[in-house]
Amino acid sequence: AQSVTQPDIHITVSEGASLELRCNYSYGATPYLFWYVQSPGQGLQLLLKYFSGDTLVQGIKGFEAEFKRSQSSFNLRKPSVHWSDAAEYFCAVGSIKAAGNKLTFGGGTRVLVKP
Amino acid sequence: DTGVSQNPRHKITKRGQNVTFRCDPISEHNRLYWYRQTLGQGPEFLTYFQNEAQLEKSRLLSDRFSAERPKGSFSTLEIQRTEQGDSAMYLCASSLGQGHTYEQYFGPGTRLTVT
Repeated sequence: AQSVTQPDIHITVSEGASLELRCNYSYGATPYLFWYVQSPGQGLQLLLKYFSGDTLVQGIKGFEAEFKRSQSSFNLRKPSVHWSDAAEYFCAVGSIKAAGNKLTFGGGTRVLVKP
Repeated sequence: DTGVSQNPRHKITKRGQNVTFRCDPISEHNRLYWYRQTLGQGPEFLTYFQNEAQLEKSRLLSDRFSAERPKGSFSTLEIQRTEQGDSAMYLCASSLGQGHTYEQYFGPGTRLTVT
């Protein structure tokens, strides 16, 4: 069964500092990997995705993520955080080989931004 | 393109009552998903439709839950005899089918509170 672990429940970062959110997945086949962001009381917005090819993927809002197959990781990074980046971030794994490509999500990392 | 919409956004009900939620997907999307998100957790898959056919149901979807997508457009999720443990955010997502990148676009969710 597929699973996703986000080891950090909370991260506090100063505005302008860099941010890295960790994501480890477990899946027997080639995964499709996603990062979503959720603002309070809102649904999920897709930040970026990895299907194949270049292991460094660029997303919206200045985010990027790197797929490392050897480490089963897909960490999210942003060089300089803005106050508006305060939100909860979810990593998810899916596979075209599984019927319907249902997503399995990690528990999320809540990011707080200090002025 | 108005995105995925869900109604109502909030629902408060007493234990034992029935509730029904509606999801309107992005118009050209033929796949529709329901997820449940409890406080402090990532979303968990409940069920999905390809057009009007319900193709997979999670074991989380007890007999009290039923979902329909009668004409392959909007979907409803009904919970009968609600319990306090049903309190959660119910998220709907839609995506294009085979041959596409399987990105799921989420609605704002319906927050259910069972008192």
